[in-house]
Amino acid sequence: QSALTQPRSVSGSPGQSVTISCTGTSSDVGGYNYVSWYQQHPGKAPKLMIYDVSKRPSGVPDRFSGSKSGNTASLTISGLQAEDEADYYCCSYAGSYTSLYVFGTGTKVTVL
Amino acid sequence: EVQLVESGGGLVKPGGSLRLSCAASGFTFSSYSMNWVRQAPGKGLEWVSSISSSSSYIYYADSVKGRFTISRDNAKNSLYLQMNSLRAEDTAVYYCARRDYGDYVLDYWGQGTLVTVSS
Repeated sequence: QSALTQPRSVSGSPGQSVTISCTGTSSDVGGYNYVSWYQQHPGKAPKLMIYDVSKRPSGVPDRFSGSKSGNTASLTISGLQAEDEADYYCCSYAGSYTSLYVFGTGTKVTVL
Repeated sequence: EVQLVESGGGLVKPGGSLRLSCAASGFTFSSYSMNWVRQAPGKGLEWVSSISSSSSYIYYADSVKGRFTISRDNAKNSLYLQMNSLRAEDTAVYYCARRDYGDYVLDYWGQGTLVTVSS
């Protein structure tokens, strides 16, 4: 199973909104409502930001939101802040014995 | 507080073996499925292996099947990854990650341990 496709980079000024897309297939993103998003700062472990397409774990600011349409999921960061600058990865449950989870290619978010 | 702490990484020659460990605390380890996910230097995340709470169900990515073995000891709150026949392309930071109960999300991750395969 191939990695999910994300844009290599997106950028925005503080206070602006940015959206990251995550495109898969009907075997992963389109087939399950189990898309999650992770934030990763350099040298750090991934941190869960969104799960089950649009749910936010406790402690994650409501500036982060998720959605899905067909085989494409999206993460939107509203009111961009300097600390949001990081790499973001989507992840989908895929249900295959040899590909239980598929991750996205990763997107670098730059705060201008 | 949920904590996952990996150990056992290091430098190993191609064809060699290494055993990674993940010590869990702050939750009932025996109730959760666990996973290994890796990240090659400067690259993205790749799911490696998964084991159910009672070890009844085990899954591997094609890239490691037949070379890696996942296991757990619920009495010791520990997860393991035995890595044999290591290749240069196995060089990565290896993270253990918990799968949330009743869901499919990998909700908590350890800080990772670096495995370098090089002669």
